[in-house]
Amino acid sequence: SYDLTQPLSVSVALGQTARITCVGNNIGSKSVHWYQQMSGQAPVVVIYRDTNRPAGIPERFSGSNSGNTATLTISGAQGGDEADYYCQVWDSYSWVFGGGTKLTVL
Amino acid sequence: QVQLVQSGAEVKKPGASVKVSCKASGYDFANYDINWVRQAPGQGLQWMGWMNPNSANTGYAHQFQGRVSMTRDTSKTTAFMELTGLRSDDTAVYYCAINYFHFPYWGQGSMVAVS
Repeated sequence: SYDLTQPLSVSVALGQTARITCVGNNIGSKSVHWYQQMSGQAPVVVIYRDTNRPAGIPERFSGSNSGNTATLTISGAQGGDEADYYCQVWDSYSWVFGGGTKLTVL
Repeated sequence: QVQLVQSGAEVKKPGASVKVSCKASGYDFANYDINWVRQAPGQGLQWMGWMNPNSANTGYAHQFQGRVSMTRDTSKTTAFMELTGLRSDDTAVYYCAINYFHFPYWGQGSMVAVS
């Protein structure tokens, strides 16, 4: 099965840039989607197909994907960005999620 | 607007079965696969499988094959996920989600406790 590895936690100072990585074998050849999950809420997509931002998602959210690493970047992180973030890909007829990263804004 | 409204919380005994519903509205139900994802307390997201509401075709994650069944009632635009042989580690929030190359819409989640 295909594995996606994310750091358990990332901390960022208020207003600084947070980067959350998602590592998988040749992940650059796949489409990566990113979800934000607030405590007690359903996940919400913040980036789809590597770099696309849905309507209503702030411009400070961006994504990249190359080689073995996909990255979600949050520029100018706000307190309201504190949440769990998950990457997702489709592989061998299955959806795969990363283990999730808890973002803390200091 | 697109909405997925799920059934309420359930408490089940070990060995029992649970059937969770997902009522869809605001779009053409037949056109988009419904996926099911679960999340155990304090844990990450785990994909369970998909169902095509038009054909009723399904695809299940390996770890759930033989225990999960995904069905639908097109007249009620409702999808169902049934899990049998419940164990304590099946305690989780179960979500339905529409597949449109990713999961843009999710239900609110249904808590299933096995105890």
